[in-house]
Amino acid sequence: QTVVTQEPSFSVSPGGTVTLTCGLSSGSVSTAYYPSWYQQTPGQAPRTLIYSTNTRSSGVPDRFSGSILGNKAALTITGAQADDESDYYCVLYMGSGISLFGGGTKLTVL
Amino acid sequence: EVQLVESGGGLIQTGGSLRLSCAASGFTISSNYMSWVRQAPGKGLEWVSVIYSDSDTYYADSVKGRFTISRDKSKNTVYLQMNSLRAEDTAIYYCARVPRNSDGFTIFAFDIWGQGTMVTVSS
Repeated sequence: QTVVTQEPSFSVSPGGTVTLTCGLSSGSVSTAYYPSWYQQTPGQAPRTLIYSTNTRSSGVPDRFSGSILGNKAALTITGAQADDESDYYCVLYMGSGISLFGGGTKLTVL
Repeated sequence: EVQLVESGGGLIQTGGSLRLSCAASGFTISSNYMSWVRQAPGKGLEWVSVIYSDSDTYYADSVKGRFTISRDKSKNTVYLQMNSLRAEDTAIYYCARVPRNSDGFTIFAFDIWGQGTMVTVSS
């Protein structure tokens, strides 16, 4: 059974840069998986950040960027701010109608 | 304003049934794929189901055979019929739109989310 992998936690200093990754338990992530990224704070619905690997959703600041790094999808936050402290989830489209979420990364800004 | 509003959640006994609704406004649900995503308390997000524009439906293995996604175009509403509910189905259930690009091609992601509705399954 395929699993989408993410770092459980990460920390970044205010103003710093952090890259979160999204991989597969078996195989490499490519643009064909339509990687997308979501931000969620406690008690709130997810917010869409990135879709189709690197397209920012409406209203998302350009310090959020998406890419493929090696065999994984990546979300890079440049100039981290305190309110970036959230859970971040990636989604991969597996084909045949099926989407899979990663387990999420808890980002701490300190 | 483009918006999704879920309803129908509540407390239900193990083995029971519940139907969730997702009312859309600002767009036509039949023009987009529509999905359900859930989140168990303290856990991550889990994709549950999708209904395509042509009415094809797909499900996560964890709910296949128990849950049914459907839509009513006249009410611009998507539904999730949940049968044989288990304790592990306890979660917030979100409705989400799968977007299309300017060329009309589906982008396999979620761009609009509802606020969620809580389902608690207890014996």
